[in-house]
Amino acid sequence: AQTVTQSQPEMSVQEAETVTLSCTYDTSESDYYLFWYKQPPSRQMILVIRQEAYKQQNATENRFSVNFQKAAKSFSLKISDSQLGDAAMYFCAYHVEYGNKLVFGAGTILRVKS
Amino acid sequence: KAGVTQTPRYLIKTRGQQVTLSCSPISGHRSVSWYQQTPGQGLQFLFEYFSETQRNKGNFPGRFSGRQFSNSRSEMNVSTLELGDSALYLCASSVGQGGGETQYFGPGTRLLVL
Repeated sequence: AQTVTQSQPEMSVQEAETVTLSCTYDTSESDYYLFWYKQPPSRQMILVIRQEAYKQQNATENRFSVNFQKAAKSFSLKISDSQLGDAAMYFCAYHVEYGNKLVFGAGTILRVKS
Repeated sequence: KAGVTQTPRYLIKTRGQQVTLSCSPISGHRSVSWYQQTPGQGLQFLFEYFSETQRNKGNFPGRFSGRQFSNSRSEMNVSTLELGDSALYLCASSVGQGGGETQYFGPGTRLLVL
């Protein structure tokens, strides 16, 4: 079974600075998809970024980018120019194709200081 | 397009009762997945429905069940409620064509069991 590990329960970053959230996963599949979701205090889960494992290029979405290391099974999220609105719980997730299931990590709380 | 909607948003029940939660997916989405979020266990997959058929089920007791209607709306039911069923229940919808497509989440139903 696939597992996802987020080793940082909590992180802090100064406004306008850069922070990296870590995620590792375990799978025997060669083709799969990975996601980062953000959950602010409203509890609404919001997609941050999606990565296709067969693509060598790291996904980017504006200030958000990933460092995808397939051999190391690592999928970290980099947030540049951090903003107060980035404060939230961030979840890394592995997509199981059969039955459209997401396996989530435990999450990392990100605090942004002004 | 309207997003995923869930009703009710908040619910208080007592042990032994049963509860039904509803999820309306984004128009055109045929896959609905359900997740339970608790502080202790994190985000856990309950089940997924596509075109009225359950395709995948998580490791939950038989008290947790669901169904999907022809208009893709989905309901989940929990019978004989236990204190440990107190949680945020999230549903997510996607087109259902596979390929690691993004799941879009609703705002959740917060269930408190007394």
